[in-house]
Amino acid sequence: GNSVTQMEGPVTLSEEAFLTINCTYTATGYPSLFWYVQYPGEGLQLLLKATKADDKGSNKGFEATYRKETTSFHLEKGSVQVSDSAVYFCALSANTNAGKSTFGDGTTLTVKP
Amino acid sequence: NAGVTQTPKFQVLKTGQSMTLQCAQDMNHEYMSWYRQDPGMGLRLIHYSVGAGITDQGEVPNGYNVSRSTTEDFPLRLLLAAPSQTSVYFCASSAGASGRSIGEQYFGPGTRLTVT
Repeated sequence: GNSVTQMEGPVTLSEEAFLTINCTYTATGYPSLFWYVQYPGEGLQLLLKATKADDKGSNKGFEATYRKETTSFHLEKGSVQVSDSAVYFCALSANTNAGKSTFGDGTTLTVKP
Repeated sequence: NAGVTQTPKFQVLKTGQSMTLQCAQDMNHEYMSWYRQDPGMGLRLIHYSVGAGITDQGEVPNGYNVSRSTTEDFPLRLLLAAPSQTSVYFCASSAGASGRSIGEQYFGPGTRLTVT
């Protein structure tokens, strides 16, 4: 079956530091890949996505590139802010069953001033 | 658009009680899902639906029932609540395979359920 593995957290960084959260996946075929963000007390919201190999998703300074050869979709940001503190989830969706998504366990990011 | 709405936001139940968590979406999405979120375990799929009248089990379906009589609504029923069902429950919807946002999930704000 499909699975998503995220780097274990929590991650604590100082403001303006570089962020990487690793994500690898196992899936048959060519899934779509997503990063979702969850702020305290809220539901998940889409941060960025990529639907085919070598696509780069980007939003709010975050980026991730769909690497089929390494089955990875690592999240990066060049300079984090305190407001980026949240839980980040990597997810995939098989294009043959777009209603189901498989999520990683989530990585908690705390950014200190 | 209101997106995905869930009620109630908080609920406390006693063991053995039953209740229904409500979920509605106004985006005309074909797909709807229920997840539970527990510390350190990410999101686990309970049940999902690919359209009105069609539902299927997810990863952790035991103790929960669903039905989908309309495109908009997808209620989750707890029949005999147990402390193991203490969790945060999220409803989500997504467009069908023909949509530009294929696979993209839209989440509600969640229901925080405690079973004592």
